[in-house]
Order: sequence, then structure tokens, then C-alpha cells
Amino acid sequence: QSALTQPASVSGSPGQSITISCTGTSSDVGGYNYVSWHQHHPGKAPKLMIYEVSNRPSGVPDRFSGSKSGNTASLTISGLQAEDEADYYCSSYTSSSTLVFGGGTKLTVL
Amino acid sequence: EVQLLESGGGLVQPGGSLRLSCAASGFTFSSYAMSWVRQAPGKGLEWVSSVSGGGGGTYYADSVKGRFTISRDNSKNTLYVQMNSLRAEDTAIYYCAKGSMRQRLDYWGQGSLVIVSS
Repeated sequence: QSALTQPASVSGSPGQSITISCTGTSSDVGGYNYVSWHQHHPGKAPKLMIYEVSNRPSGVPDRFSGSKSGNTASLTISGLQAEDEADYYCSSYTSSSTLVFGGGTKLTVL
Repeated sequence: EVQLLESGGGLVQPGGSLRLSCAASGFTFSSYAMSWVRQAPGKGLEWVSSVSGGGGGTYYADSVKGRFTISRDNSKNTLYVQMNSLRAEDTAIYYCAKGSMRQRLDYWGQGSLVIVSS
């Protein structure tokens, strides 16, 4: 199972919006609504930000939103803040009953 | 408050074995699937294995199938992974997480470092 494809890095200024894409296939992202996004600050435990494509766990700001079109899922962060700087990973359930992560995207807040 | 605490990591020689544990608290452990996810140095997250709440269903990444065994003891609220025939490429921080492939991974431990080296 190949990793999902994410851009290696994205950047934005405080207050701006950014979108991170996550491209898979019809056997994972395109075939199921089990796409999640995690935020990971190095040295800390990953934090769930979005699950089942577009659902936010309690406590996650509504600045974070998720969507999917075909084989590509997206995470949008609006009103960018300094504390949003982190690595972001998408993941998806697959037709092989496994879980596949994306390669990760480093978000830099300028 | 949900807490997950991994233990058992360390330095092991190639071909050796190691067992990681994850002590869980703050939720009804037996009601949830649990997973192991790892991160090799400088790399991204990689799903390793998941087990159903009752322990009867187990799932593995191809990279560890036949070498790693996931299990759980619901009487002790503890998740395990037995890692055999370890290779250099298994060097990573191993995280335990509440959830599985179709249940969101909503809580994670701080991780346990495994180094496979001679």
C-alpha cells in the first residue's frame, strides 16, 4: 500500500488561509469516508483534527475544516495562527482493511 | 481524562525481540479498538497494527506481518505489541493510539523509542 500524496510543505501568514491536499486512489480516499487529519508537533503526541472527512472532535477550533472530492481530500485552516505551525498527516482506511498515512506536510506560519 | 502510556522501548540488536506495552486509563478500554503507529527518524507516520476491542480481530501492515503480534489484556487495560526478527528499518518511535482503521485515532500516547542496531 503506497502512502497517500501530500505536499511536503505549505506556508502562510497569520490570518490567511491555507489548504493541504491528500491524494490517494479509489481503493482508499476515493472509496471510503474514513479520512482523518492529525496535527503533530515534534516530540509530542499527534492530535486528531478531522475525522470521517469533515468532522471535528470537540475542542478543535472551527478554523479547521476538511473535505473530499474524488480521490483527493483536503484540510483547510483559516485565520492561520502561530500555534498552527506543525506537521499535518492525512490517513485513510483502505480496501485491504489497513490504514494508510500521507507523507506529511510541514506547515510554516510566516 | 484519557491517558495512554507506552513502555518497553530500548536498544535491541538486529534479529532480536522486544515487547512494547501501552497502559490505558480514562475510558472503557475493552470497548475500543487500539492501534500502534510508528515514526522512523526523519520520516512520516506509518500505521503498524490494530486490534479489535475484544482482541479477536487483528490487522497488520505488510511491513511487519509475520514478525509483529498485537494483543491486549482487557483485565489490565493494557495493549501490547511483540516485535520479533527486528530490522534496522524498524527503528522508530512507536505510538499507541485509541481507535483503528475505521474508528478515529482520537488519543495517542507520547511514544516509546525503539532502536535496532548492533
